[in-house]
Amino acid sequence: QKEVEQNSGPLSVPEGAIASLNCTYSDRGSQSFFWYRQYSGKSPELIMSIYSNGDKEDGRFTAQLNKASQYVSLLIRDSQPSDSATYLCAVIQGGSYIPTFGRGTSLIVHP
Amino acid sequence: DAGITQSPRYKITETGRQVTLMCHQTWSHSYMFWYRQDLGHGLRLIYYSAAADITDKGEVPDGYVVSRSKTENFPLTLESATRSQTSVYFCASSESVLGPSGTDTQYFGPGTRLTVL
Repeated sequence: QKEVEQNSGPLSVPEGAIASLNCTYSDRGSQSFFWYRQYSGKSPELIMSIYSNGDKEDGRFTAQLNKASQYVSLLIRDSQPSDSATYLCAVIQGGSYIPTFGRGTSLIVHP
Repeated sequence: DAGITQSPRYKITETGRQVTLMCHQTWSHSYMFWYRQDLGHGLRLIYYSAAADITDKGEVPDGYVVSRSKTENFPLTLESATRSQTSVYFCASSESVLGPSGTDTQYFGPGTRLTVL
């Protein structure tokens, strides 16, 4: 059973809208959370990491972490067609230093 | 060029053959990882290494062998390929342990698409 869950999508949003991507995890001891972007046929690349409850902003991207509810989200403001990709959530569970990846959510931003 | 490279990029082989996928990084990163990516499963860890001569199993190690005699190289060998090992294989590296006490970035290679007939 996968311990990091993501809706596979696709999530379709119009250009300029906010895209909201969600990820839940099962291990309450998890401490480190990452969002990766993967374009079709390419390798994953890190967008953001977050370690503390609350929001972390980087340009148009905001990661939100709620450890009590065991979810981490990624918000993409002013979505662009170039944001169309699969977004992978990765979680390092307690006692480990190896990330477990979710299956990814496909995002489509249409003009 | 600096970075992390994988070879070959594409490979077709037959059931029962031995195949070795190469991974090379120029940063002298301590940690290296091998993942496979399949539709419906996402990225799954096969093996990882914390340093030269130190390797450990990940989530799906059966049928695979790794070695790491040099820091920069981390080859993955399929000893007797099976059709279920048809996948895209990604190698990754990180400077140190992932997390708030180390680094947050895993750098991924371009991937090797392996087809086992």
